Amino acid sequence: AQSVTQPDIHITVSEGASLELRCNYSYGATPYLFWYVQSPGQGLQLLLKYFSGDTLVQGIKGFEAEFKRSQSSFNLRKPSVHWSDAAEYFCAVGPLTGNQFYFGTGTSLTVIP
Amino acid sequence: KAGVTQTPRYLIKTRGQQVTLSCSPISGHRSVSWYQQTPGQGLQFLFEYFSETQRNKGNFPGRFSGRQFSNSRSEMNVSTLELGDSALYLCASSLAQSNTEAFFGQGTRLTVV
Repeated sequence: AQSVTQPDIHITVSEGASLELRCNYSYGATPYLFWYVQSPGQGLQLLLKYFSGDTLVQGIKGFEAEFKRSQSSFNLRKPSVHWSDAAEYFCAVGPLTGNQFYFGTGTSLTVIP
Repeated sequence: KAGVTQTPRYLIKTRGQQVTLSCSPISGHRSVSWYQQTPGQGLQFLFEYFSETQRNKGNFPGRFSGRQFSNSRSEMNVSTLELGDSALYLCASSLAQSNTEAFFGQGTRLTVV
């Protein structure tokens, strides 16, 4: 069965520090992988996506993610976190059939000054 | 280019009532998917419509239904509301039939009392 696991429910980092959010997936073939960010009371905004090719993908707001097939991982990174990055981050796999996505349970990021 | 528009943003209903939520996708997008987001269950897929046809349906009771119009706008309906239906309902718009990224609306916050 397809699934996405985000092991960290909540992460706290200092502003200016580096960030890595973990994502592991289970899928029968090469997946399409996504990272979304959600601010309180808002919808989801796409940060970056991996379809194929270069396993290191760049996204918006200075984020990047690396696809590692051997580890079934797609971790999100940012070299220097800003206070405005505080939000909920979701990893997703899909589309599995049509445009149906499976989401992880999310990682809540707190940034302290 | 306008994004995905969901109306209303907030709703309060009482148990047993029914509710209709609306989603207008990005212009030119023909696929609309609906997700329910709750603190306990995370983001769960409800259903997807493409060219007025439901293509996929998640594991929700028959009280949850939807439809898509010829202009790609979509509505979802929940009948006989239960307290557990309180959630953020998110609509996602995609350009094509499959293997494309999804753009999310800001959601409709439904509270059932």
